[in-house]
Formats: sequence, C-alpha cells, structure tokens
Amino acid sequence: GDSVTQMEGPVTLSEEAFLTINCTYTATGYPSLFWYVQYPGEGLQLLLKATKADDKGSNKGFEATYRKETTSFHLEKGSVQVSDSAVYFCALTPFTGGGNKLTFGTGTQLKVEL
Amino acid sequence: DAMVIQNPRYQVTQFGKPVTLSCSQTLNHNVMYWYQQKSSQAPKLLFHYYDKDFNNEADTPDNFQSRRPNTSFCFLDIRSPGLGDAAMYLCATASVGANVLTFGAGSRLTVL
Repeated sequence: GDSVTQMEGPVTLSEEAFLTINCTYTATGYPSLFWYVQYPGEGLQLLLKATKADDKGSNKGFEATYRKETTSFHLEKGSVQVSDSAVYFCALTPFTGGGNKLTFGTGTQLKVEL
Repeated sequence: DAMVIQNPRYQVTQFGKPVTLSCSQTLNHNVMYWYQQKSSQAPKLLFHYYDKDFNNEADTPDNFQSRRPNTSFCFLDIRSPGLGDAAMYLCATASVGANVLTFGAGSRLTVL
C-alpha cells in the first residue's frame, strides 16, 4: 500500500537557519503530495501541495518540489523563525481510487530557538 | 468564515463510559473524515462519508461508530473507551474531486 516516510525529529534550529525536512513516498501511479503543519494544540493546516512531477509548491517561505525520479518531496525554508515551531506532516493522496484519502508520514517536530 | 468546528476541544471520560465527539462544517463539502492521532504518531483514518455513504477502514475497531445526520454534521461515537483510545480526534472535510482536506482543530480525548 501507499506509505510516506519522514525524517525523525525533533529538529532544533536557531532563528534564520536553513531548514530541510526530508520526505519520501511509496505509491503507484502519480499521487498528489502535501505538507501539512500542526501548531501546538491545533488541528492540521495545509502548508503547500504539488500534484504532478516537477511541480513546486510554496507558501509562507516554505517550498517543496515533487521529484518522481527519487520519490521525494522535501520541505525547505531559507530562514526559519520562532513562529515556525510546529509539527510538519508529509502526506499523499493516490492518483486513482481512494478519493481524497490522505496517507500521512509520522510527522517531524521543528523547534526554532532565538 | 467557512470552517470546520469540533466539539468539545477536550473530553475526559472514564474507562468504558461512552463518548460522542461532534464535527460541523459550513463549507458544504460532500466528504467528511474522522482521523485518530495518537501522541507522536501520524493521523490514522478511521472512516469517511461520501454524502451519506459510510466507508469504514478495514482496521477500525467496532468500538468506533459514526453518524452523519446531514451534510453539515458528523459524529464520532466511542462505545466503550479504553485507555488505548486516548488520542486527538481530527475531523476533516473535502469536496469530491478536490484533493485538499480542511481540518478542524481536533478533540483531545483523555480516558481515566
């Protein structure tokens, strides 16, 4: 079945540092790929998405590129802020069948310190 | 603002005492989902509705039931909560054909 693998956390960075959170997936066909963010005590919010190979999703300074050849969708940000501290989930929906059903990775906690 | 609202945000129950969590939406989305998220784990899909059609995941325990009386509301019933059912329960909605889910803030269940 479909699966998503994320790097384990927590990831601790200083403010203005560069962020990479690795995500790889296993799926048949051409899934859509997502990053969701969960701030403390809150539900999940869509951060960005990409629906086909070589698409780049971007939002709030974060970006990720859909790489079919490496089945990856790594999240990057050039300069993190304390307010970016949250748990980040990589996820996919299948291309066919399964409707909108999301398969999540286990999440990566990011802590940004001053 | 259109949104997904879950109530209660925090629920404490005793072992074996039934619990109902609610979810309402103003987005008029056809599809509603219930996810279970245990500490430091990925959200796990329990079931979803496409309009009134109920779709249970194969590994969802019978202890978990759901009702969707109308488009706007969906309920999660846990008939006899065990300690292992303590988790955050997330409701989400989506339009058919759209691949983006809108999540509520979640209901955190504690079982004593």
